[in-house]
Amino acid sequence: EDKVVQSPLSLVVHEGDTVTLNCSYEVTNFRSLLWYKQEKKAPTFLFMLTSSGIEKKSGRLSSILDKKELSSILNITATQTGDSAIYLCAVPREKLTFGTGTRLTIIP
Amino acid sequence: NAGVTQTPKFRVLKTGQSMTLLCAQDMNHEYMYWYRQDPGMGLRLIHYSVGEGTTAKGEVPDGYNVSRLKKQNFLLGLESAAPSQTSVYFCASTRDNGNYGYTFGSGTRLTVV
Repeated sequence: EDKVVQSPLSLVVHEGDTVTLNCSYEVTNFRSLLWYKQEKKAPTFLFMLTSSGIEKKSGRLSSILDKKELSSILNITATQTGDSAIYLCAVPREKLTFGTGTRLTIIP
Repeated sequence: NAGVTQTPKFRVLKTGQSMTLLCAQDMNHEYMYWYRQDPGMGLRLIHYSVGEGTTAKGEVPDGYNVSRLKKQNFLLGLESAAPSQTSVYFCASTRDNGNYGYTFGSGTRLTVV
């Protein structure tokens, strides 16, 4: 059975801090790993990672995949209150299995 | 481009009533998924479909049925609603799992009283 685990489950930091969110997976025939941000409504796509060691970057957010460690991290630098959300990672196979998510709260 | 459209957006049901949630996509996607999300929790897969006429069970299929008679539509049915099915339901679709992103609908908030 595919398994996707995220840590921490919840994180509270002050505006301006840097955070690192973790996602580890156990799946067969790995193809890619996806990161999503979810605020009030539907998840919105952040990154798709397929190759180990290559960083994907978008503004203050970046993510990298480590296929040897079967994991990925999502970094957010200089956090803002608008970064408060649930961050989800998922590993697509025939099913799209999501991790439990990390609830990030940014205190002004 | 409508993307993925879910109807209805909100619904209140009495215990024991039935209803159908509709997910429609106009992107010619093969794969479609139904998830539920409870407060403070991640997305749990209910059922999914890998193409027209196919369906398969996800993590939490009990109490739900699905149909994919047309490629663009994926229906989620509750035959006899229970309070435990109070949740937000999301539909998603993709062209080819693993190689492309997934598009989500805006969700259906269902309350069973």
